[in-house]
Amino acid sequence: DVKVTQSSRYLVKRTGEKVFLECVQDMDHENMFWYRQDPGLGLRLIYFSYDVKMKEKGDIPEGYSVSREKKERFSLILESASTNQTSMYLCASSLPTGNSPLHFGNGTRLTVT
Amino acid sequence: QQPVQSPQAVILREGEDAVINCSSSKALYSVHWYRQKHGEAPVFLMILLKGGEQKGHDKISASFNEKKQQSSLYLTASQLSYSGTYFCGTDFYNQGGKLIFGQGTELSVKP
Repeated sequence: DVKVTQSSRYLVKRTGEKVFLECVQDMDHENMFWYRQDPGLGLRLIYFSYDVKMKEKGDIPEGYSVSREKKERFSLILESASTNQTSMYLCASSLPTGNSPLHFGNGTRLTVT
Repeated sequence: QQPVQSPQAVILREGEDAVINCSSSKALYSVHWYRQKHGEAPVFLMILLKGGEQKGHDKISASFNEKKQQSSLYLTASQLSYSGTYFCGTDFYNQGGKLIFGQGTELSVKP
């Protein structure tokens, strides 16, 4: 079974702090994704990566950056956290083919005060 | 480009049927369906590729109408375990998992 592990289940940070959300997958998947989940809006794609050192913007990249130094790890960075970034963040991974399902982590609930 | 799901919420009694629709304004390569229980990760249900195929998964099946750019998820003889939020994810370019998700449909099955 694919396992996608997000390092923190809950995080509370202050406005202006730099925040790191970590995600590790154990199935050697090429593709990794960061989504943000908000009530009534569904899951929105922040950034994704098809390979090590590679990254592409999703639909809502503003205020975020990512890092993928190793195949199994994909980090989401909030350079200067703001209250409107309070949300549930979901990491996912998949094989590189178009009909491959996404495997999600359990999510990190981030609160910015 | 976000697909539109309908209804937004539905309440069923055990044994009743439900249909959840997912409509796109743009041509689709495939549609994915996921279910998320409260406090858990979304879990993959099935993928529909363009070609209008229908797939089944126990008493949950789905269809994909390429012409209408719409997919429908059918839940038959619902069970309590079907409760959760259902999301469709659309893939426009066969981009290996880069999905645009609908806003979700909350399904509650009551005894």
